[in-house]
Amino acid sequence: DSGVTQTPKHLITATGQRVTLRCSPRSGDLSVYWYQQSLDQGLQFLIQYYNGEERAKGNILERFSAQQFPDLHSELNLSSLELGDSALYFCASSVGGSGTDTQYFGPGTRLTVL
Amino acid sequence: GDSVTQMEGPVTLSEEAFLTINCTYTATGYPSLFWYVQYPGEGLQLLLKATKADDKGSNKGFEATYRKETTSFHLEKGSVQVSDSAVYFCALGSAGAGSYQLTFGKGTKLSVIP
Repeated sequence: DSGVTQTPKHLITATGQRVTLRCSPRSGDLSVYWYQQSLDQGLQFLIQYYNGEERAKGNILERFSAQQFPDLHSELNLSSLELGDSALYFCASSVGGSGTDTQYFGPGTRLTVL
Repeated sequence: GDSVTQMEGPVTLSEEAFLTINCTYTATGYPSLFWYVQYPGEGLQLLLKATKADDKGSNKGFEATYRKETTSFHLEKGSVQVSDSAVYFCALGSAGAGSYQLTFGKGTKLSVIP
């Protein structure tokens, strides 16, 4: 158990819908990262927050957004969903915000768009 | 930009065989290097890490040495078990300005047969 929690574990929805994925980091970690894992693209970095502020953006679509709240949990919002958005979405956390810090991953949310 | 190349799988080995999964990287500066493991239906777990040249990371019988001269971080285990069957990801965390995320290889699926 990494100490990072994600809910829900599975999510099935239809095209055009909007969903929210939730992540709670390990106690004491200030940084939260979101990654998408798909069969064709592998593991892709989406976005990072550090202590409530957006720090880095990767290959995140404009239809996707995220935020980190004062209690440091984070939410990833996916809207106008398309079939190609079906993937595993992982949240990771680290103590600091450096790229060399160890990131601990949650169990993931499997999103299926029908 | 940063990149990680690891040997494509799948790799099938008999129990007690020797394992090597090759990983090479491209990065500026002095990155940290990681191996993560993903068991079926689960999230990514940190297996081992190394933060500077010639460091050896080790855990659960797995080892990898940070070789700056060959830009490599190959994963080895002397005697694999059925329980080692999983997907293994090599990753790089850069210390460069503006670089905060992990860059992953495509993953290598290992199957160990009794």
